[in-house]
Amino acid sequence: ELKVEQNPLFLSMQEGKNYTIYCNYSTTSDRLYWYRQDPGKSLESLFVLLSNGAVKQEGRLMASLDTKARLSTLHITAAVHDLSATYFCAVDTNLDDMRFGAGTRLTVKP
Amino acid sequence: IAGITQAPTSQILAAGRRMTLRCTQDMRHNAMYWYRQDLGLGLRLIHYSNTAGTTGKGEVPDGYSVSRANTDDFPLTLASAVPSQTSVYFCASSFEEDTDTQYFGPGTRLTVL
Repeated sequence: ELKVEQNPLFLSMQEGKNYTIYCNYSTTSDRLYWYRQDPGKSLESLFVLLSNGAVKQEGRLMASLDTKARLSTLHITAAVHDLSATYFCAVDTNLDDMRFGAGTRLTVKP
Repeated sequence: IAGITQAPTSQILAAGRRMTLRCTQDMRHNAMYWYRQDLGLGLRLIHYSNTAGTTGKGEVPDGYSVSRANTDDFPLTLASAVPSQTSVYFCASSFEEDTDTQYFGPGTRLTVL
């Protein structure tokens, strides 16, 4: 059974600092997704990673995928308050086996 | 409409009642999905559809049914609601089934008493 673990689950950081969120998964897959969710809102797609070594960047966020280690990272550079949200990774091996991580609730403080 | 919509926004339902959650997209996406989101558990896939006329079971399909009569609509039905189905339900769609971004609807908050 595919399992997806994110850590940390809660992250409080100062503005301007850097940090990394980790997403580990338990079985072979080369498809990994990152989403953002603001409180009370829907999910917004951030990145789609489709191959080993894939790296994508958008603003202060950069995501990477290592399929051999079964690990994806979401790196935050020089955090700002607007990045406060819950971040989810999701992995699928087949369409009926999509699994989300429990989410990382990020709070960026002034 | 533009994008993906869900109805109702929220609903309180007595246990044992039948309920259909509606989902419509106007992006001509082939694939559609239903998820439930519960605190601390992330999202879990209930059912999906690769294309009109086909459906499949996800991680937590029991107690739910879906249909896909056309490209745009993907209703989720609870035949006899139970309190454990209290959750926030999200519908999503994507052009391709497994390599494309999923676009999520605004969600339906369902409470079963």
